[in-house]
Amino acid sequence: GPKVLQIPSHQIIDMGQMVTLNCDPVSNHLYFYWYKQILGQQMEFLVNFYNGKVMEKSKLFKDQFSVERPDGSYFTLKIQPTALEDSAVYFCASSLAAGGSQNTLYFGAGTRLSVL
Amino acid sequence: QQKVQQSPESLIVPEGGMASLNCTSSDRNVDYFWWYRQHSGKSPKMLMSIFSNGEKEEGRFTVHLNKASLHTSLHIRDSQPSDSALYLCAGTEGADRLTFGKGTQLIIQP
Repeated sequence: GPKVLQIPSHQIIDMGQMVTLNCDPVSNHLYFYWYKQILGQQMEFLVNFYNGKVMEKSKLFKDQFSVERPDGSYFTLKIQPTALEDSAVYFCASSLAAGGSQNTLYFGAGTRLSVL
Repeated sequence: QQKVQQSPESLIVPEGGMASLNCTSSDRNVDYFWWYRQHSGKSPKMLMSIFSNGEKEEGRFTVHLNKASLHTSLHIRDSQPSDSALYLCAGTEGADRLTFGKGTQLIIQP
């Protein structure tokens, strides 16, 4: 099936440093998402992105977070500076369309972020 | 308050048995429901979706939806050890993003 690639699979970083998580969405998908999951718990929505813009963000998407997808490259989540509570698995997802039956999200394998 | 509530939190079913998982939305704007399965350490994968009242069956999996009560359920018959996973229910409102519940941890005992 369609594949979303995430790089790296695991990132260890000191608190206060910057980190960039990379996502290569399914090639013909137009909508991109980041979700945060702490230790197999609830999958929590962070942000979605379409046509170069953030469509919606949750209260978990702090000011220290930013997303972008420069043409032809990765969809990225940047955290600057990082905090201890940012430790989690971050899943990228993409979908062909938003809403309705076309809104099947395909998830990447996740990046485990450990902030020390 | 959680928009999407799942029950039970965890469920143990003997191999070959029937597993029944529940999900209810507290938001009347939710009009589509999705079931995802997440094996330990892996990414969630879409199992089934349902948008209309009634029932949908795919192999050993059956999903029900009651739009009036905003309740959906997932039933797995002839459960296998490989079905052991976290089952996530999600709802969407129109063009909005998916909101996930906390999940049901299903354990199939050989």
